[in-house]
Amino acid sequence: QSVLTQPPSVSGAPGQRVTISCTGSSSNIGAGYDVHWYQQLPGTAPKLLIYGNINRPSGVPDRFSGSKSGTSASLTITGLQAEDEADYYCQSYDSSLTSFYVFGTGTKVTVL
Amino acid sequence: QVQLVQSGAEVQKPGASVKVSCKASGYIFTKYAIHWVRQAPGQRFEWMGWINAVNGNTKYSQKFQGRVTITRDTSASTVYMELSSLRSEDTAVYYCARQRVPGATDFDPWGQGTLVTVSS
Repeated sequence: QSVLTQPPSVSGAPGQRVTISCTGSSSNIGAGYDVHWYQQLPGTAPKLLIYGNINRPSGVPDRFSGSKSGTSASLTITGLQAEDEADYYCQSYDSSLTSFYVFGTGTKVTVL
Repeated sequence: QVQLVQSGAEVQKPGASVKVSCKASGYIFTKYAIHWVRQAPGQRFEWMGWINAVNGNTKYSQKFQGRVTITRDTSASTVYMELSSLRSEDTAVYYCARQRVPGATDFDPWGQGTLVTVSS
């Protein structure tokens, strides 16, 4: 089953910048499909953070930004805050006909 | 506001089936597809399938094909996900999620999740 690979964890002090990578393949990100990012706080449902690679839904702070290049994408948090401590997942469409929609392995962001 | 409200937690025995509901409100139900995604303890999300709320057409992940059935009741603005032949590995939180806009490949909003525990 196709999967998007993320680092298990990243950490930073308040105010710092952290970046989470998301590596896919030629059947998903590399095929040109959009990458989306979700934030999941403990015990809650995921919340859409970035859609279409770079777009923030209304209400999402502008310290969150996304980018995409080749078979990878990244989520950057600029000016890390304590409330950003959560799990983050990337997601894309996949043309391999096994799953159609694939998620990243997830990254735990810890604010030191 | 747009909201998806799911049914409560379930405990089922191996081999049984479970049916989880997802009631939509705050938008025109038939304009948006609804997806089902699950998350086993400590694991990443797995996409299970989706339903076109207009015509009821469905598409399922190969992993769950033959075991999962997604249906909808337009009069009740509710989507159902039934998973059969349950095994312990199906213990997970099951989420419904709406496509953000028609044709989009991202999901927003999500339901609150339904914990399904499979245990003898």
